[in-house]
Order: sequence, then structure tokens, then C-alpha cells
Amino acid sequence: DGGITQSPKYLFRKEGQNVTLSCEQNLNHDAMYWYRQDPGQGLRLIYYSQIVNDFQKGDIAEGYSVSREKKESFPLTVTSAQKNPTAFYLCASSIGLPDTQYFGPGTRLTVL
Amino acid sequence: AQSVAQPEDQVNVAEGNPLTVKCTYSVSGNPYLFWYVQYPNRGLQFLLKYITGDNLVKGSYGFEAEFNKSQTSFHLKKPSALVSDSALYFCAVRDGGKLIFGQGTELSVKP
Repeated sequence: DGGITQSPKYLFRKEGQNVTLSCEQNLNHDAMYWYRQDPGQGLRLIYYSQIVNDFQKGDIAEGYSVSREKKESFPLTVTSAQKNPTAFYLCASSIGLPDTQYFGPGTRLTVL
Repeated sequence: AQSVAQPEDQVNVAEGNPLTVKCTYSVSGNPYLFWYVQYPNRGLQFLLKYITGDNLVKGSYGFEAEFNKSQTSFHLKKPSALVSDSALYFCAVRDGGKLIFGQGTELSVKP
């Protein structure tokens, strides 16, 4: 997990609220990623970013938004449009897009 | 599209015995393959990768993986399992600028 921090570790949200998950890295990596993990479904890519001020949708981007204003930071907002947001969210980074990804410790989001 | 499959949801081995966690892949072109491990409520940790070269890839914590092009497999192996190896293991393949992950295999090592 070294070099990539995610906060908070646990997050509780009421239905209809937007929440923002933080991801910071000090590895000087160009690329950053957000994944969602549900039991028995592996990891699914939400968004990824190759460089500052640029990002692309992954396989399940609906109901999520991101920004990449700084190289070190890639926050994920889970909006009220996301119908089933309860999951474990993982952030990762890599030197470049096709390289080995290194993961943060994750944020567990629960919708009450 | 690239894909990987992990045919076993769970693998059980006794401590000290060899372990194998299976992964098969489907790619167009040369595969870039990865293995990661995840402990409960933690992020994924990189174990090893295959890009090109020797078919036997050595990684962290005594793990290795064998790339077999004819069988389109990339099985993870360890000669002697430890109880501390118990975790969730993911195989992944590169697909353009992203990784495609398998469903994961839960490895349980009993004393």
C-alpha cells in the first residue's frame, strides 16, 4: 500500500447524498485509476487518468465523477445517481498506462 | 477483447504442500499478465508479471508463475505453502491502457 493513501477508510452515506473519496499518491506516477470491488465480482474499472486534466470512463462510470487537477490527486465522487453504491473502492497508480499498478488500502462505502 | 478466467473460486492446501492457483487468458497479440494478492479489507499487492522472455516468472514472497502459450495459461505456484499465504488472489491481463481482472481465487492454507 506504500505511497498511495485513501481516505476515509470507512464511509457511511445516506441515500441521495453525494460523497467524495480521496486518493493521493507520492510515487510521481502519471496514471491513476479507480476500481469498485463487490464480493465475487473481482475489480471493475470506474475511471482512469493518464495525465493531469484528462481522464477516461471505465466499464462502470455511470453515477460517478472524477477530477485530476494535480498529478498527486484523483478524487472520486459517488453521486446520488449511482443506484447501488455500497462497495469497496480501490485507487491505484502506475508510471504509465500499461505498467504495473500499485493499489491504495481502499475505502469501504456503505449507504444507509 | 482481452479476458482472463480463474476457474476455481477456492483452493485449499495444507501448510508445507505445493500450491497452484490457476489462470487462463484470451488475448489478441502478446499477453501482458499479472498476479496480485489481497488480504482482508486491504488493497491489492503486486506479486509478479509476465511481459516477455522466460516462461517461468519469479515474484514476491516465494511465488512464481508459469506462462504456457499453447495452453493459454498463467498459473501461480509456490513450492511450500504457508498459513500466511491465505488470501484472495487475482490474475489480470493488460487491455490497452487498463487491466482486466479475473474474479479472484480464495486460497486457504491450513496448518
